[in-house]
Amino acid sequence: GAGVSQSPSNKVTEKGKDVELRCDPISGHTALYWYRQSLGQGLEFLIYFQGNSAPDKSGLPSDRFSAERTGGSVSTLTIQRTQQEDSAVYLCASSGLQGIYGYTFGSGTRLTVV
Amino acid sequence: AQSVTQLGSHVSVSEGALVLLRCNYSSSVPPYLFWYVQYPNQGLQLLLKYTTGATLVKGINGFEAEFKKSETSFHLTKPSAHMSDAAEYFCAVSGNNFNKFYFGSGTKLNVKP
Repeated sequence: GAGVSQSPSNKVTEKGKDVELRCDPISGHTALYWYRQSLGQGLEFLIYFQGNSAPDKSGLPSDRFSAERTGGSVSTLTIQRTQQEDSAVYLCASSGLQGIYGYTFGSGTRLTVV
Repeated sequence: AQSVTQLGSHVSVSEGALVLLRCNYSSSVPPYLFWYVQYPNQGLQLLLKYTTGATLVKGINGFEAEFKKSETSFHLTKPSAHMSDAAEYFCAVSGNNFNKFYFGSGTKLNVKP
């Protein structure tokens, strides 16, 4: 597609429920990133996919968080047993060549855990 | 580990005045440096980047930034602020193996008429 598409744009869920956030990167971009933006804070790196290499999961805050990327394209970020502190905007970005020319970000998914 | 410090979470300038948003970084290797802008309810948009070469880089919307290695800084400037520049600005620095970027906490720019 022309840009990075994320869905849903907003998600309200009850504490303890599982949620799935989807990211559709720019066609041909080999690198895909997930970041979390909490209120008043910067962007927190979560996970990075590059082609067929093993993902860099070093930023995932707990084992309740997981992500996969199917066919080198669409990615899904899953949060199990959501907690209130998971409330944030989850941003996906894609790039070519490891991001040295900059990322293209999606508009994000605003997750609210009540 | 890399870190990025943006001095001033909120900056307010008058329309037509100089914009200066500060960014300092720590990096053990020559970094790649970026500035992004985020308008309300939108994702981040790349303003400009420094990878190699000329240390003064120009970006979109009249913004520019200068990489100063000796000061480990990459401050963002614009000679004359416009109302449409009101947004949040993020500085980012590459990791050691350039596979992820570390972002500052952001600076919200307010432009007064």
